[in-house]
Amino acid sequence: DTAVSQTPKYLVTQMGNDKSIKCEQNLGHDTMYWYKQDSKKFLKIMFSYNNKELIINETVPNRFSPKSPDKAHLNLHINSLELGDSAVYFCASSPKMTGTYGYTFGSGTRLTVV
Amino acid sequence: QKEVEQDPGPLSVPEGAIVSLNCTYSNSAFQYFMWYRQYSRKGPELLMYTYSSGNKEDGRFTAQVDKSSKYISLFIRDSQPSDSATYLCAMSAVAGGTSYGKLTFGQGTILTVHP
Repeated sequence: DTAVSQTPKYLVTQMGNDKSIKCEQNLGHDTMYWYKQDSKKFLKIMFSYNNKELIINETVPNRFSPKSPDKAHLNLHINSLELGDSAVYFCASSPKMTGTYGYTFGSGTRLTVV
Repeated sequence: QKEVEQDPGPLSVPEGAIVSLNCTYSNSAFQYFMWYRQYSRKGPELLMYTYSSGNKEDGRFTAQVDKSSKYISLFIRDSQPSDSATYLCAMSAVAGGTSYGKLTFGQGTILTVHP
């Protein structure tokens, strides 16, 4: 029974396209996050939502737009994809907004822009 | 300079060795310290969690935090080939700081334990 699930697992697309990644958690957590992991394995926060409210927006280009229809779902839409967007995108959730209890991560979406 | 520095390795040890992984940090607001393990093509999973300074032990794993030196460590005793993974340190600040609500990760250290 997957706790944090992301779809799709792999995404290969051309520059300029628009794509979405979906995330769902069944842990009852209040807070969800999007993190980007680059080719050097460096994980950097992009957004966090607490109960559908945007809390953190970490200097991410406007082409990235998160949406949280309810506290169990957090989607990421990316417009006009660029080569530099190629990375692994992780969704995560935590019980509280403080993040102090650690996160539960999804298995990632590997995005390749060609 | 990154807020959290971690030597990416790679680190290769024989089975049974004691492994020491370390991170340093610059943000004195960090109070919560974690270690995550990430297998290839998987998401990170929480291994150890420590609040403020001190030691915490869980089976073969020991986490140490020295806030005065801004230095944290993870020790793995009797290492096994199944411990081969990337180990990421992560930190979170107290409420009200600019880092509130997010984890800041180190780059991760790639560990291989060979039989």
